Amino acid sequence: QVHLLQSGAEVKKPGSSVKVSCKASGDTFNTYTIAWVRQAPGEGLELMGRITPILGVVKYEQKFEGRVTITADKSTSSVYMELNSLNSEDTAVYFCARKARLGYYFDDWGQGTLVAVSS
Amino acid sequence: EIVLTQSPGILSLSPGERATLSCRASQSVSSDYLAWYQQIPGQAPRLLIHGASSRATGIPERFSGSGSGTDFTLTISGLEPEDSALYHCQQYARSPWTFGQGTKVEFK
Repeated sequence: QVHLLQSGAEVKKPGSSVKVSCKASGDTFNTYTIAWVRQAPGEGLELMGRITPILGVVKYEQKFEGRVTITADKSTSSVYMELNSLNSEDTAVYFCARKARLGYYFDDWGQGTLVAVSS
Repeated sequence: EIVLTQSPGILSLSPGERATLSCRASQSVSSDYLAWYQQIPGQAPRLLIHGASSRATGIPERFSGSGSGTDFTLTISGLEPEDSALYHCQQYARSPWTFGQGTKVEFK
């Protein structure tokens, strides 16, 4: 059963913005916290922020504060991550991930969305 | 911020051998709030272990986690061909939750 389904790859110019979507199954959207994690080429995983759709509560990691916006749309059971002022260092695969009920680890992941930033 | 250092960077073994992966934290990870993930190339990470030693649903018994404080280990007993992957550790004891840089397990 697929719980998280992400939008397709994007190619963006430096200075522009990208918005990636993550469609969640009904139970996942209404019950869980969804986070965004990115992985630059050859690098480890990096948490960007998270949202609890049912509560509307959002938290951003300090590194991305002011440049990332995470939202949720109840009508489509989707979570969105918008990243502004893109530069080449933002080239990465972006994952949405479901936070487990019992702890701040991630028990399900979307398939990933490649965002390539190039002039 | 708790920094996680994984070693070795690359582990080259043969099928059937035992793999021992290390994850060392810059500060004590309280309550053993440490998880391990497997990432096959081109795929998303998959949760293997949480709470340092609890296997996630559906994970084979050859995967085991141990450790406490600042030193944690993922052991794969009897490598299978499908175990060739990148393995990540993550601490969730203290915000910001952080990941290690990963250990790649490859076959000779």
